[in-house]
Parts: sequence; C-alpha cells; structure tokens
Amino acid sequence: DAKTTQPPSMDCAEGRAANLPCNHSTISGNEYVYWYRQIHSQGPQYIIHGLKNNETNEMASLIITEDRKSSTLILPHATLRDTAVYYCIVRAPYTGGFKTIFGAGTRLFVKA
Amino acid sequence: NAGVMQNPRHLVRRRGQEARLRCSPVKGHSHVYWYRQLPEEGLKFMVYLQKENIIDESGMPKERFSAEFPKEGPSILRIQQVVRGDSAAYFCASSPGQGAKETQYFGPGTRLLVL
Repeated sequence: DAKTTQPPSMDCAEGRAANLPCNHSTISGNEYVYWYRQIHSQGPQYIIHGLKNNETNEMASLIITEDRKSSTLILPHATLRDTAVYYCIVRAPYTGGFKTIFGAGTRLFVKA
Repeated sequence: NAGVMQNPRHLVRRRGQEARLRCSPVKGHSHVYWYRQLPEEGLKFMVYLQKENIIDESGMPKERFSAEFPKEGPSILRIQQVVRGDSAAYFCASSPGQGAKETQYFGPGTRLLVL
C-alpha cells in the first residue's frame, strides 16, 4: 500500500470547518483513499473513501486532487466530539489490499 | 443493524494463562481481520480470515497466537501463555468481501491486561 503523510496535529474552533490534509504522492491508479478516525481508545470509525471523484456523506467530504497525489478530509462544522486521531489510508485492490495499514494519523483538537 | 461485536471488552490475565478474544462480524460479512494496538501506538494488522480459512497471518506472532473463524460462531483470537508484552487493545474488523473497495468496519475492541 502507498505511504501517506499527515500533519501530526491540528486545532480547529468548534463550529468551523476542519480541513485535514493527506499526501499520498506514490498512490497507484487503482488504490483507494480511506479515512478513519479513532476517538480515545474506541475502535476506528469509518468516515469516507474514494478513488478519483470527490465524495460526500453525512459525516464529511473527501476532496481528491486531479493527480490523486493528495486529498483533504473536510468536517464542515466541527464539534467537540470530533476530537480524535484521523487516519488517511490508501488500499490497493490486489494482494495485500485487505491490510488496512495505519500510520500515525493527525490528532485533531476541536476547541470551544 | 448490529455492527461488529467483540467480547469481552476488558480481560485481565496473569502471566502464563490463556486469553480468548471473540469477534462477531456484521451480519452477512464473511471476512474478518484482527488488529493489535499497543499503548500509544497505531493499529497493526495481525491476521485475515474468511470463513474457516486463514488467508493471511503475516502480522501474527508465530508462537502462542492463533486465530479461527469457524463455519458457525464468532471468530476467536487465542493467545496462549500470555506475557506482559501482550497487553494491548485487540480490534476486530469485518467486510462483506475482499478488495480495496470493500470497507472494513471495526468493533469496539478488547483490552487485554496481563499482570
């Protein structure tokens, strides 16, 4: 799986949009970008995933650049409960793609 | 619509005892994955099972650890003769199929403490 690079931590004011960047410059054409988050000691929670197009669901939006070398997860109106570690992961469809390889992630602090 | 269930949520064992961790996947999911998270570290892949078969166990220690996913019942991660270094959170995930576009959904984890 391609390696991802994320800032170790970010702050966000409550009610504002949180924009979490991820660099995956070595991504291959058939690798998916996944985002998970882990709220203190809980199991990782799936947020969103995409291949080429931007995606939106009830939790967040995923913006993938045209060259697919980076992406941004957007939480439109962050709340205190969004404080968590956010993991950007790329997964390949071929052998080994089932391994979700977690990096260090970005620790997001949402402040009142 | 039950998600992945794991039990027990907390398990305390003394060195040398056995630990059995159970995982019930999302209904209809036949693919199960186990991950381990040591204190202050990220999750690490251990093993991938598909009903009665171990597909990949490359992340699982060769000794003392075993996993199964029988035709009936939950998946079991078994740790024999536990040592203090086995203290960690163990997470199970499941998916309906294999492949990068198959989302893995995680359970709440079992926190193992070895005294």
